[in-house]
Amino acid sequence: SQQGEEDPQALSIQEGENATMNCSYKTSINNLQWYRQNSGRGLVHLILIRSNEREKHSGRLRVTLDTSKKSSSLLITASRAADTASYFCATDAAGSARQLTFGSGTQLTVLP
Amino acid sequence: NAGVTQTPKFRVLKTGQSMTLLCAQDMNHEYMYWYRQDPGMGLRLIHYSVGEGTTAKGEVPDGYNVSRLKKQNFLLGLESAAPSQTSVYFCASSRPSYEQYFGPGTRLTVT
Repeated sequence: SQQGEEDPQALSIQEGENATMNCSYKTSINNLQWYRQNSGRGLVHLILIRSNEREKHSGRLRVTLDTSKKSSSLLITASRAADTASYFCATDAAGSARQLTFGSGTQLTVLP
Repeated sequence: NAGVTQTPKFRVLKTGQSMTLLCAQDMNHEYMYWYRQDPGMGLRLIHYSVGEGTTAKGEVPDGYNVSRLKKQNFLLGLESAAPSQTSVYFCASSRPSYEQYFGPGTRLTVT
């Protein structure tokens, strides 16, 4: 079963534009994490936001969390061709013994 | 500091053969995980470990076994490989309630 579901499944934008990806989940969480995966590579952690936080920033990344709606969004500002990758949200569900459940991802393509 | 390493990177097995995938981490993390990733999908947890000598089942444990004899190593075994186990396997490690660090993956094909 997949706790987090990303939307959209695919997104194509021009370099310099902003990219927004959304994640919805079903149960209470301890934290929600976003990861990036370049083609054929392992996942790289981007941001972790805890259930008592509403917004977090890291460089060009901004993550919001709305626990009442069970949703999160990842905003990448001023996108670059190097941001082309798949982006996954993962939830650490309450009572899950620290297991992460991943969504199926958003494939972002940034066109030069 | 190598982070998380996986051995081998690629492997082709015939149905019924066995093999072991090795994961090693040098970050002194308590938790380690094995995932599989199939085309167009996110990662699914196979087994995980919260400390040396402990293992637990994840979402898709059938057909796999694991061992964590040393804190830095986590082994994933396939006793009798099946075509349905063709996948990319990722190992990860973490501190409790913190982000996970992933290895580069092992691409396994079972014919």
